[in-house]
Amino acid sequence: QVQLKESGPGLVQPSQTLSLTCTVSGFSLTSNSVHWVRQPPGKGLEWVGAIWSGGSTDYNSALKSRLSISRDTSKSQVFLKMNSLQTEDTAIYFCTREGLRRVYWYFDFWGPGTMVTVSS
Amino acid sequence: DTVLTQSPALAVSPGERVTISCRASESVSTGMHWYQQKPGQQPKLLIYGASNLESGVPARFSGSGSGTDFTLTIDPVEADDTATYFCQQSWNDPYTFGAGTKLELK
Repeated sequence: QVQLKESGPGLVQPSQTLSLTCTVSGFSLTSNSVHWVRQPPGKGLEWVGAIWSGGSTDYNSALKSRLSISRDTSKSQVFLKMNSLQTEDTAIYFCTREGLRRVYWYFDFWGPGTMVTVSS
Repeated sequence: DTVLTQSPALAVSPGERVTISCRASESVSTGMHWYQQKPGQQPKLLIYGASNLESGVPARFSGSGSGTDFTLTIDPVEADDTATYFCQQSWNDPYTFGAGTKLELK
């Protein structure tokens, strides 16, 4: 069955770089795109960026200058790197698969999320 | 960016009918989806394409709307429905989410 799971450091110091990995199973990264969504504690969901099935990427314009998403299809892994971290980047980071039914694209499977705290 | 505005927190009694609204700042056609998120969990897809029930989701959940105005209806509400409900649009770039509506049971 389809599964996604995020992994990462948990704690990052301000101004440092965050590196997260999303390991997927049950589908191919060349068939479905994978997105990153984050959620600050007690707040709503924010779309971070995506890597499409063809390998191209899109980023939230507010984060674009600090963000990079890539993948290793042979390992079924998607990577997020964000530099110059600030306390406002403290959040749960989810990776999610985009599915298609009829003409609609939507997030049909989600990882459990990984909490990232930016603090010295 | 398309801004999605959701109704504030709601409190209802079990067995009642509840509607949760989501208004888009520009048309998203029927490219609107609804998710349920319980504390400490990831979001779960309920409705896609404004009105299509995701497989495995109880028929108590339904969605409607097009253009800029959308609703999620739960009828009847059960105790397990206590959660935050988010709308999300995928019609316009970038994808955006509503701020969420927290549903509490009386």
